[in-house]
Amino acid sequence: EAQVTQNPRYLITVTGKKLTVTCSQNMNHEYMSWYRQDPGLGLRQIYYSMNVEVTDKGDVPEGYKVSRKEKRNFPLILESPSPNQTSLYFCASGEVRTGAFFGQGTRLTVV
Amino acid sequence: AQSVTQLGSHVSVSEGALVLLRCNYSSSVPPYLFWYVQYPNQGLQLLLKYTSAATLVKGINGFEAEFKKSETSFHLTKPSAHMSDAAEYFCAVRDSGGGADGLTFGKGTHLIIQP
Repeated sequence: EAQVTQNPRYLITVTGKKLTVTCSQNMNHEYMSWYRQDPGLGLRQIYYSMNVEVTDKGDVPEGYKVSRKEKRNFPLILESPSPNQTSLYFCASGEVRTGAFFGQGTRLTVV
Repeated sequence: AQSVTQLGSHVSVSEGALVLLRCNYSSSVPPYLFWYVQYPNQGLQLLLKYTSAATLVKGINGFEAEFKKSETSFHLTKPSAHMSDAAEYFCAVRDSGGGADGLTFGKGTHLIIQP
């Protein structure tokens, strides 16, 4: 079954404590991306990756890092989380022109 | 850059009535357009997509959308609403400028179904 798996689903953390949200896909897609969803703003792209070791900024990259060491994994890293990064995060996989697959989401709260 | 406007953050219809969710886009190139649905506590699921083939696109769960270039619109419709259609709906356009490839989303429309 085609899947995009994010972990954890829910996370509460404190300001400044580094965290990583993992994303894994089993469809051998080259393209992966991260979005954040905020009420009234829809989804906005944070970072994307066209292939292994190829990453680039999306629309709202400040405060985030990513890495793509393997094709299947695309973790999102918050080096020093702040309350304005409280959001719902989605990982997506697959070529956009065919319709990307989205993970179940990670709800992050930074206090 | 491409942009998407969804008219109405909330739309309420009666069960059995027509569903119409509006989406207008701006794009400097022939667009790829999508509708996604998000059920509570779920990820986004692709409903349908337009990729420059037929202008009337049929999707899952009885939804369809019509691409109208002259109106830069891609409205989503369903003839008869069902309680299970209550969800958040997002229109999106492919944004592929400058070597990037991603989706630009509208702000979403929350569909409420009245019994």
